[in-house]
This record gives sequence, C-alpha cells and structure tokens, in this order.
Amino acid sequence: QKEVEQNSGPLSVPEGAIASLNCTYSDRGSQSFFWYRQYSGKSPELIMFIYSNGDKEDGRFTAQLNKASQYVSLLIRDSQPSDSATYLCAVAPPGGYNKLIFGAGTRLAVHP
Amino acid sequence: DGGITQSPKYLFRKEGQNVTLSCEQNLNHDAMYWYRQDPGQGLRLIYYSQIVNDFQKGDIAEGYSVSREKKESFPLTVTSAQKNPTAFYLCASSTGQGAFFGQGTRLTVV
Repeated sequence: QKEVEQNSGPLSVPEGAIASLNCTYSDRGSQSFFWYRQYSGKSPELIMFIYSNGDKEDGRFTAQLNKASQYVSLLIRDSQPSDSATYLCAVAPPGGYNKLIFGAGTRLAVHP
Repeated sequence: DGGITQSPKYLFRKEGQNVTLSCEQNLNHDAMYWYRQDPGQGLRLIYYSQIVNDFQKGDIAEGYSVSREKKESFPLTVTSAQKNPTAFYLCASSTGQGAFFGQGTRLTVV
C-alpha cells in the first residue's frame, strides 16, 4: 500500500462547478496535511495546510480532514479554467514536518 | 524578496559526468529537501536536511550526494552512478506550515 494515495484522474468538471479532490494516507499517526497545485512544467505551489479534524476554508478552497478514516480532501468552489492543474497531497509523518510524503497527484481539468 | 533559488533552470549532462544542482534559500528555514519528479509521477524524496552539517537519505538516494555547510545552501550532486538521471529536480525548504519549492532544474542526459 502506498503511503499517500490519490486518484490520478483526470477529473473533468465544468466551469463554475465544485471540484472534489481526495487523498488517503496509511500512517494513522500523521499530523499535518498539505495541498499543492502544480501547473505543467512548473514547481508545486502550496495552497493549504490542515492539522485538525474538520474543515478549513480559504477563499474558494476548503480542505477537509478526517483522521479516523485517514483521508483528506480539497474542494474547489466555482472552478475556473485557470484551476486546471495537478493537485498534490502531502503528509507529514509522526515526529514532525521534516519529511513530507507526496501522493502522485490528481490532474484536474476545468472546461468552459 | 524571500524565496528559494535553484540554478540552472536547464542542465545537460553527458554520460559519465557528475553535475551539481544549486539550491539557495533566504527564508531562514532549518529544513531543506531534494525531490525528483518524473513525467506524470509524484515527487520522490532524494535527501533531506534538518540542520547544518546533517542530512539523511530519502527513498531514492543512490547515485546522489548532498552537503549542508550553510543554512542557506543545499546543493545536490548527480553522480555518474545514477543510471537514469533525466528528470525534474525540485529543492524545497520548510517550516511546520508546509514546504516551499524553488523553480526546479530540468536535467537531461545527452
């Protein structure tokens, strides 16, 4: 079992819709969770981080964490074509944030 | 302007050569990392360092070497022992609020 798993996609959504991206992780003791956006040929950009169970909102983005079920998700409201990118989930294992483990990413395509 | 600077952006290596990728940060972060990304794949950890003069192997350290003589600098050497070095190399530094990446170096073997 991979440590951090994501559906590779592509996830195709129409402009204005909600895009839902999911990530599961294997280490139950993981403490910190991060979502990155990566445009083709570019480096990853940090979008959000979440530590506690529940929802965390930042603009059009909402991160959701459920430690009991070991999943974290990212919702993008009012999706725009400019949101089309690969979204990477990263998890910090127990003991600190100094060794982030990344999933392979989900490719999101927002069509007009 | 605070950030992470990687150089060069593109690098070509001949078979059997060692090459060194530069990574400098002025964010005053203790932790620094090197990741490798192959087309259509996620990031794989090569090496990481939590403090000056100390570093640990990641999942794919074979054929690579690093040094951490200064807090700001974490260069990566791709040695001739790395048989398939063509990839996108990403350097990052971090606090508890996530890792921040440089622009990357695209290495190609010619």
